[in-house]
Amino acid sequence: DGGITQSPKYLFRKEGQNVTLSCEQNLNHDAMYWYRQDPGQGLRLIYYSQIVNDFQKGDIAEGYSVSREKKESFPLTVTSAQKNPTAFYLCASSIGYRTILAKNIQYFGAGTRLSVL
Amino acid sequence: GNSVTQMEGPVTLSEEAFLTINCTYTATGYPSLFWYVQYPGEGLQLLLKATKADDKGSNKGFEATYRKETTSFHLEKGSVQVSDSAVYFCALSVIGQTSGSRLTFGEGTQLTVNP
Repeated sequence: DGGITQSPKYLFRKEGQNVTLSCEQNLNHDAMYWYRQDPGQGLRLIYYSQIVNDFQKGDIAEGYSVSREKKESFPLTVTSAQKNPTAFYLCASSIGYRTILAKNIQYFGAGTRLSVL
Repeated sequence: GNSVTQMEGPVTLSEEAFLTINCTYTATGYPSLFWYVQYPGEGLQLLLKATKADDKGSNKGFEATYRKETTSFHLEKGSVQVSDSAVYFCALSVIGQTSGSRLTFGEGTQLTVNP
């Protein structure tokens, strides 16, 4: 089945540690996105990538890093510089910005819940 | 910039009640509008969308009409069920050369339907 797979479902970070969240899609989508969701709040964009080997900062990129070496993969690293990492992280993908807007729907993974030990 | 404002929640209804969740937006450019739904512990699923003024999106008994004159996209359902209990997000997207089709979300509205 086509879709977006995020792993792990739950992740714990120790003080000063970097952790990496995985996001893989088999939808052949060009664009991928990372969002952060805090309780009672909407989603905020961390990073996005419109094409392989390219990515841009979103609204809250500080303390995070990404790579896009393969079309199907867009891992997010939460670095030790992110002082408040506890949140629910969602990855999404879409066909790409060159497609007409009506078809450029974002599809979401099931999320990774990150907590600090 | 772009922004989305949803009615404050949470919303609690009895089964078969009528549902309205208000959503208004501001956007530079001509946006597409979306409603996403999030069930507990899961990611978001697209519920419905509308891409131009006066379009009506509909799915699973939910409807929303793109009102350009009032910059609104209110979600409605005539008779809610317990299974509709979830968080509902209004969102918009405007194609841009540097921003792609990034989504701007409202804060979400928690809906609880009691039997």
